Amino acid sequence: DGGITQSPKYLFRKEGQNVTLSCEQNLNHDAMYWYRQDPGQGLRLIYYSQIVNDFQKGDIAEGYSVSREKKESFPLTVTSAQKNPTAFYLCASSKNTGELFFGEGSRLTVL
Amino acid sequence: GQNIDQPTEMTATEGAIVQINCTYQTSGFNGLFWYQQHAGEAPTFLSYNVLDGLEEKGRFSSFLSRSKGYSYLLLKELQMKDSASYLCAVRANAGNNRKLIWGLGTSLAVNP
Repeated sequence: DGGITQSPKYLFRKEGQNVTLSCEQNLNHDAMYWYRQDPGQGLRLIYYSQIVNDFQKGDIAEGYSVSREKKESFPLTVTSAQKNPTAFYLCASSKNTGELFFGEGSRLTVL
Repeated sequence: GQNIDQPTEMTATEGAIVQINCTYQTSGFNGLFWYQQHAGEAPTFLSYNVLDGLEEKGRFSSFLSRSKGYSYLLLKELQMKDSASYLCAVRANAGNNRKLIWGLGTSLAVNP
């Protein structure tokens, strides 16, 4: 079945550590996105990629990094520079102007 | 500024009809999405409106008035599984989904 897969679903990190969240899609979508969701706030865009080997910062990119070496894959690294990394992270993909398809999400907790 | 307003919470009874409103003020408009999100899960797509009028899809319908900056999601024959958060999102520019403005969501509780 076509879909979008995120891993891990739950992740714990010590302060000062970098962590990488995986996102893979087999929907043949060009565009991929990383969002962060916090209680009481709307989805906020971290990074966006419209095509392989190209990506742009979203509204809250500081402390995060991404790569888009393959169409299917868009991993997100949460670096130690991110001051409040505990959150629910959502990866999504879409045809350029179509609806977003979301992965199941990754819940990161910093201890 | 860019803003989307939705009620924070709503309650309804199983079998009833509920209307969730969304008003928006954005720098541009190229479509409005509704998503459903159950607690702890990812959002799933419900509907898309780009022209004025009503779009019906089974028990769910969505309405758009661009001149009023207004949309609503109508849920009929409510079921317990409809208890979820409903997110309204506006695409503010044409060509891509880079500029999606998200509302905070309306948490709907369906009671027996």
